[in-house]
Amino acid sequence: EAQVTQNPRYLITVTGKKLTVTCSQNMNHEYMSWYRQDPGLGLRQIYYSMNVEVTDKGDVPEGYKVSRKEKRNFPLILESPSPNQTSLYFCASTLSRSYNEQFFGPGTRLTVL
Amino acid sequence: AQSVTQLDSHVSVSEGTPVLLRCNYSSSYSPSLFWYVQHPNKGLQLLLKYTSAATLVKGINGFEAEFKKSETSFHLTKPSAHMSDAAEYFCVVTLNRDDKIIFGKGTRLHILP
Repeated sequence: EAQVTQNPRYLITVTGKKLTVTCSQNMNHEYMSWYRQDPGLGLRQIYYSMNVEVTDKGDVPEGYKVSRKEKRNFPLILESPSPNQTSLYFCASTLSRSYNEQFFGPGTRLTVL
Repeated sequence: AQSVTQLDSHVSVSEGTPVLLRCNYSSSYSPSLFWYVQHPNKGLQLLLKYTSAATLVKGINGFEAEFKKSETSFHLTKPSAHMSDAAEYFCVVTLNRDDKIIFGKGTRLHILP
């Protein structure tokens, strides 16, 4: 089954404790993105990647890192999480470039205390 | 600057009546336009997309949208609402010139019995 998976689905952590949210897709897609969703703000793009070893900042990249060492995986790293990073996070992938349909993961709800 | 505006944050309609969710965009370049739906506690699913072919686009679950370049609009409609349509809907613009993806802030659709 074609899908985007994220882990963990729920995470509660404390300020400053490094964490990684994994994202994997099995559709051989080139383009992958991370978004955060906050009430009243819709989805905002954090980082995106057009292919292996190619990443770029989205609209809200501060406090986040990403890597793209393999085509299927695109982990999101919070080196020193803060409470304002409490949010719902979505990973998405698309075949190539941004005018194709995006396939979204189920979301990761992160709480930073 | 590119932007997308969903004109209503909440829309309430009675079951069996028409649905209209409004979306306006601002873009200097040829856009691709999408509508996604997010049911409670779920990820996002594509409803329909416009990528410079027919201006009237039909999607899943009876939804359709019309691209009107002169009005810079891409409103989502459905002739008869069903209880299962209660969800949040996002209008998305992507620019064919680069890889920016811009989400509207969402419209929550309530269906009254």
